[in-house]
Amino acid sequence: DAKTTQPTSMDCAEGRAANLPCNHSTISGNEYVYWYRQIHSQGPQYIIHGLKNNETNEMASLIITEDRKSSTLILPHATLRDTAVYYCIVSMRGDMRFGAGTRLTVKP
Amino acid sequence: GAVVSQHPSRVICKSGTSVKIECRSLDFQATTMFWYRQFPKKSLMLMATSNEGSKATYEQGVEKDKFLINHASLTLSTLTVTSAHPEDSSFYICSAGQGTFEAFFGQGTRLTVV
Repeated sequence: DAKTTQPTSMDCAEGRAANLPCNHSTISGNEYVYWYRQIHSQGPQYIIHGLKNNETNEMASLIITEDRKSSTLILPHATLRDTAVYYCIVSMRGDMRFGAGTRLTVKP
Repeated sequence: GAVVSQHPSRVICKSGTSVKIECRSLDFQATTMFWYRQFPKKSLMLMATSNEGSKATYEQGVEKDKFLINHASLTLSTLTVTSAHPEDSSFYICSAGQGTFEAFFGQGTRLTVV
């Protein structure tokens, strides 16, 4: 499975958009890009996933570059409850292999 | 999203005893479930892939005789930590998939071995 690279940490002001980048330059053609987040001492929460096209749901938007080597998760209006570790994962079989993720801190 | 439930959420056991953790998909059938463990301030580590009706596939370095996995039905997988020791204390998490592998995770089980 391809690996991903994410910044270790990011800050965001409450009410502003949070843009979390992810590099996955070795992604293969049938691998999806998934985003999960984990709040302390809880199981990971599914956010969104995509293959080629940009995706949007009630939680976030996922922008995947045309070459699929990178993506950005966008939380349009971050709240304090969005403070968590965000994981970008590429997989085609459902076996999510987690990297270190990005610790997003939303500040008042 | 789909609901995956783990039980118990917390368990304390004595060294040398065995502990069973259940993972259930409540509103969908999961032919494949996955088990993870997580140490404090660390990321999740995949331990094994559990396939309904067949033997689990373990990741390199995970002792299959220590961590027994059973996936007897399409909605239930169990992880048994056998002869537990303090170093087995950890946060254990399962996931189950549906559709295009929208894997959903349980709330986790915190195991403390004393």
